[in-house]
Amino acid sequence: QKEVEQNSGPLSVPEGAIASLNCTYSDRVSQSFFWYRQYSGKSPELIMSIYSNGDKEDGRFTAQLNKASQYVSLLIRDSQPSDSATYLCAVITGFQKLVFGTGTRLLVSP
Amino acid sequence: GAGVSQSPRYKVAKRGQDVALRCDPISGHVSLFWYQQALGQGPEFLTYFQNEAQLDKSGLPSDRFFAERPEGSVSTLKIQRTQQEDSAVYLCASSKSRDSHYGYTFGSGTRLTVV
Repeated sequence: QKEVEQNSGPLSVPEGAIASLNCTYSDRVSQSFFWYRQYSGKSPELIMSIYSNGDKEDGRFTAQLNKASQYVSLLIRDSQPSDSATYLCAVITGFQKLVFGTGTRLLVSP
Repeated sequence: GAGVSQSPRYKVAKRGQDVALRCDPISGHVSLFWYQQALGQGPEFLTYFQNEAQLDKSGLPSDRFFAERPEGSVSTLKIQRTQQEDSAVYLCASSKSRDSHYGYTFGSGTRLTVV
């Protein structure tokens, strides 16, 4: 079992819709969770961090964390074609390093 | 500097050649990380420095890989006798905190192609 699992996609949504990206992790002691966006040929860019159960909103982005279920999600409201990218879920493990999932490719069609 | 700077951006190496990849982290950032990203995959951890101390090198794939950060600032990742499976993007990241609590800032990466 991989430490961080994501559906590779692609996830296709029309412009203006809500995109929902999901991630599960295996290390129960993980305390810090991140979403990175990576455009093709570019490096990962941090877009959200979340540390406690519940929702955290930042503009069109909402991160959700459920530690009991070991589940993290990212919602993107009013999706735009410019949101088309790969979204990487990352978790700090007990060894104090970020472990990444394989990423979910999001395609937003005009 | 304003961001994490990596050089070269692209490197083509003949199989068996040695390569050196450079990372210049954000000024004052204590922690520095190297990751390897194969096509279509997420970044995979290679090694971690806190100042000049290499605290974790568990991700280095073989003894052909070596990293250093002698003065606690610039870091170099060296790959000896490159193999085709070493072809990947090598990402450097830095963090102002001693742990990873706030996430990392990544550089643009070095794309290594071994032919």
